[in-house]
Order: sequence, then C-alpha cells, then structure tokens
Amino acid sequence: KQEVTQIPAALSVPEGENLVLNCSFTDSAIYNLQWFRQDPGKGLTSLLLIQSSQREQTSGRLNASLDKSSGRSTLYIAASQPGDSATYLCAVKENKLTFGGGTRVLVKP
Amino acid sequence: DVKVTQSSRYLVKRTGEKVFLECVQDMDHENMFWYRQDPGLGLRLIYFSYDVKMKEKGDIPEGYSVSREKKERFSLILESASTNQTSMYLCASSFSGASNQPQHFGDGTRLSIL
Repeated sequence: KQEVTQIPAALSVPEGENLVLNCSFTDSAIYNLQWFRQDPGKGLTSLLLIQSSQREQTSGRLNASLDKSSGRSTLYIAASQPGDSATYLCAVKENKLTFGGGTRVLVKP
Repeated sequence: DVKVTQSSRYLVKRTGEKVFLECVQDMDHENMFWYRQDPGLGLRLIYFSYDVKMKEKGDIPEGYSVSREKKERFSLILESASTNQTSMYLCASSFSGASNQPQHFGDGTRLSIL
C-alpha cells in the first residue's frame, strides 16, 4: 500500500528565504506526482504536476523535482513571501491519488 | 480556468438526517471525486466516478453513497448522518483516465453533525 510522508509537519522561515519542502513515497510505480497549496478553511489549489517520466517542473518561483528511484520529490519556493504561508500537500497517482499529511508553512515578514 | 463549485461552505445537520453535498464542475471533466479531510488523517477518498451513472468506492465508503446523473454534477449522500462524519468534504474533478491530468478541487464544505 502506498504511503506518502511529508516532513517536517510545520516550517517557519523569514521572508526572502528559499523554502524547501519534502515529500517521500514508498511505491515508485506512480503515474505522476502533484503539489497542492491549501489556505486555512479552503480547498486545494494545484501548483505543479510532474509526470513519472519527468525530473522537474517549474512555474514562476516554484520548482518541483522528482526522483522516482528514491521515492522523493522536493518543492522549492524561491524568495519566500508572507503570501506563501499555507499548507503544502503532495499527492502521488497510481490508480488514485494518495496524499501526504502536508507541511504547514509560515513566512514571517 | 477550471471551476469546481461546492454548494455550501458550511453546513450544520443533526444525527440521523439524510444529508446531500453537491458538487458541480464546468470543464466537461469525466472524472469526479469526493474526499474528506480530518486533522491527523489527511485526505481520504470516499467515492469517485469516471462517467455518468458510474461510481466506484474509494478507501472509506461506509456510511456514504453518491449520485452522478449528469456529467457536471456529483452528489455525496450521507444516508443517516452520524457525529463521526463531521469533517471537511472536498470535491475534485479531472479529465478522463489519462495519467497526466491534474485534479482540480472545490473550496470544500465544512460539515458539522450535532
């Protein structure tokens, strides 16, 4: 059974610092991996999707890497801003999405 | 932009009531999903549907049913609501079957069962 882990559960950084968020999964036979952002009391916003054949995806200040063989993905957010404060979730797709528990990020002004 | 709309942001119901949660998407997606999200347990898949009138059980279907009479609408039904069904419910949709299509989520319905 696929298990997805995100460590740490919470992270606090000063504004301007780069954010590094980790996601690990136990079964490498995935179709893709998706990163989401969730603001308090809201739904999920899709940030990036990496296909199993890809190594990374970029969108603006966001860059996500995927290493299937080691079962890891990393989301980098450059030059963090207070507006980046949210919970970040990763999910891997086999026949369905399996989610990690999320990392709650606070960017302090 | 994909729009997934859940009919209520907050809902309060009583134990034993039949509860309907509605979800509508405007992008002609074939796939639709219902999740619940609980602290410490993350997101768990309740039911999903790959086409009209088609449904499949997810990881935690007990106590729930679904209805997909039209492609754009996917309803989650709590047949007899219980307090352990108090949760945040999230609906999502995606294009058919292809592995490279992201899921898009609604804003969620926070349901309280008293």
